[in-house]
Amino acid sequence: DIQMTQSPSSLSASVGDRVTITCRASQSISSYLNWYQQKPGKAPRLLIYAASSLQSGVPSRFSGSGSGTDFTLTISSLQPEDFATYCCQQSYTTPRTFGGGTKVEIK
Amino acid sequence: QVQLAQSGAEVKKPGASVKVSCKASGYTFTSYDINWVRQATGQGLEWMGWINPNSGNTGYAQKFQGRVTMTRDTSISTVYMELSSLTSDDTAVYYCARCAEQRRFGSWFDPWGQGTLVTVSS
Repeated sequence: DIQMTQSPSSLSASVGDRVTITCRASQSISSYLNWYQQKPGKAPRLLIYAASSLQSGVPSRFSGSGSGTDFTLTISSLQPEDFATYCCQQSYTTPRTFGGGTKVEIK
Repeated sequence: QVQLAQSGAEVKKPGASVKVSCKASGYTFTSYDINWVRQATGQGLEWMGWINPNSGNTGYAQKFQGRVTMTRDTSISTVYMELSSLTSDDTAVYYCARCAEQRRFGSWFDPWGQGTLVTVSS
């Protein structure tokens, strides 16, 4: 199975900050990498697919980059509604696997 | 709009089975696979498997092989996930998610159902 490792596992940031979350795959997955946002008690929400494609309706302050084994999710200017947990997922092969999540908290 | 509506919370005893439903609306039911993902409290997301609502073909994670069964009823646009031989480790929120796929871009889960809490307790 492909292991997905996120870092950091949590971070504290202020409104307006630029936030970067990293996801590393245990083997190359090309650009088959998705990012989700999850708030407490809610289902995950797709933000980015295919490493860098912004899902319809998602604010442009979210962006994704990377290919191969190393990927990044960036929030250019953190907003109050962005405090949540972010998770990566590979679609290169089955079983589909997810990163452990990065919790973004208010500083 | 595209929606997946799941059945309500369940409480089961160890050794029992649970069957969770996921009703699709707002799109052509047979055009997209449905995947199931679970999440134990405070833990990460764990993929369980998929079903093609058109053919009924399924694929399961090795961990759940022999214990999970995914089925569908096209007449009511609903898929089901049944998990047997439950233990306390199966206590989790179970999500269904529509899987969109493009050859160039891979596949992704969107949208997700609201989740169904399954509690296994004696």
